[in-house]
Amino acid sequence: DGGITQSPKYLFRKEGQNVTLSCEQNLNHDAMYWYRQDPGQGLRLIYYSQIVNDFQKGDIAEGYSVSREKKESFPLTVTSAQKNPTAFYLCASIDRDGPDTQYFGPGTRLTVL
Amino acid sequence: GQNIDQPTEMTATEGAIVQINCTYQTSGFNGLFWYQQHAGEAPTFLSYNVLDGLEEKGRFSSFLSRSKGYSYLLLKELQMKDSASYLCALPGGYSSASKIIFGSGTRLSIRP
Repeated sequence: DGGITQSPKYLFRKEGQNVTLSCEQNLNHDAMYWYRQDPGQGLRLIYYSQIVNDFQKGDIAEGYSVSREKKESFPLTVTSAQKNPTAFYLCASIDRDGPDTQYFGPGTRLTVL
Repeated sequence: GQNIDQPTEMTATEGAIVQINCTYQTSGFNGLFWYQQHAGEAPTFLSYNVLDGLEEKGRFSSFLSRSKGYSYLLLKELQMKDSASYLCALPGGYSSASKIIFGSGTRLSIRP
């Protein structure tokens, strides 16, 4: 089955710790994205990558970092510099053969205690 | 730049019809998406409009007017499972580095 996986579904961390959220896709998509969603809010773009070894900052990149060493993987690190890290994090990828429809992973809910 | 406006909340009755509006401003139009998102879950694709007019897909239809910067999602024969947030989104297209901008979403509540 093709799709996007994110793990874990729920993650708890202590304040001041860095944490890495995984995102893996087997859809052979070139472009991948990370979004943050706060309760009752829309999706805000953190980082995106159009190709391996390249990525760009989105609208709220401060306090986050990413890497794109493999086409299938786009992990997001939430650093201690992120002031309000508790949120729902969504990873997505795009099928370039279609109208840029985004496919989303199931999301990771991060709670910083 | 791009900007999207949607109503924050709507309520409708099971079996009825509801229309969710979306107005937008963009410097380059590359189509408009509608997504459905149930609480605590990822958004799922509903529709994509790039030409003016109405696209029908079962109980859901989506309308676009490019000249007015306006779209709506029409849900017919509402069911309780349609209670969700509905997100309007604009793709930037490859020339705009593929940034997709999402509206804040309209939270739809269905009452029996």
